[in-house]
Amino acid sequence: DTGVSQDPRHKITKRGQNVTFRCDPISEHNRLYWYRQTLGQGPEFLTYFQNEAQLEKSRLLSDRFSAERPKGSFSTLEIQRTEQGDSAMYLCASSPRRGGSTGELFFGEGSRLTVL
Amino acid sequence: DQQVKQNSPSLSVQEGRISILNCDYTNSMFDYFLWYKKYPAEGPTFLISISSIKDKNEDGRFTVFLNKSAKHLSLHIVPSQPGDSAVYFCAASASTSGTYKYIFGTGTRLKVLA
Repeated sequence: DTGVSQDPRHKITKRGQNVTFRCDPISEHNRLYWYRQTLGQGPEFLTYFQNEAQLEKSRLLSDRFSAERPKGSFSTLEIQRTEQGDSAMYLCASSPRRGGSTGELFFGEGSRLTVL
Repeated sequence: DQQVKQNSPSLSVQEGRISILNCDYTNSMFDYFLWYKKYPAEGPTFLISISSIKDKNEDGRFTVFLNKSAKHLSLHIVPSQPGDSAVYFCAASASTSGTYKYIFGTGTRLKVLA
């Protein structure tokens, strides 16, 4: 399977702990996105990378959140000192620049975080 | 500030009939629009897109219409099938503003009745 993969798929943690999610995009896709989705809402933009450069960050990305894409391939999203409000599905997507001919993002299956 | 709005949280349609899902936007800089389908516990799956230079794009049973003056787009599914039952999201981006992020609506849950 050469799609976008995310790990772990599920994470349960206690409030105050740190968590890290990993995303492996489709190879040769140079844009990588992180979104967050809560129940009844659409995906909310967090940040995106073009190669290793983080080009844009949402105001939703507080200083407890950090994302990296050190070699322009896989990416990590770390949440420090988790809070119950961080409970959500964290979605990663990749895109080959404008998404090829149709501009689409290819999403992974997401990492569900539950903060107790 | 919800720049992309899907005002109908749910829609039920009989199998074989047309499903029409609507999406409104407020940012006139948006120049690319996407529709995604999402099943529970899965990531969103791309369906169809449209550029602001067009007013219609068709792919099989799926057609997207764009009305720029009304800042409105719609997704038509004909004929609807039970397997189409899912949550549908529209998304928009404004690449001419130098950003490639996509803003998503809140989704419409479609239920196709057999």
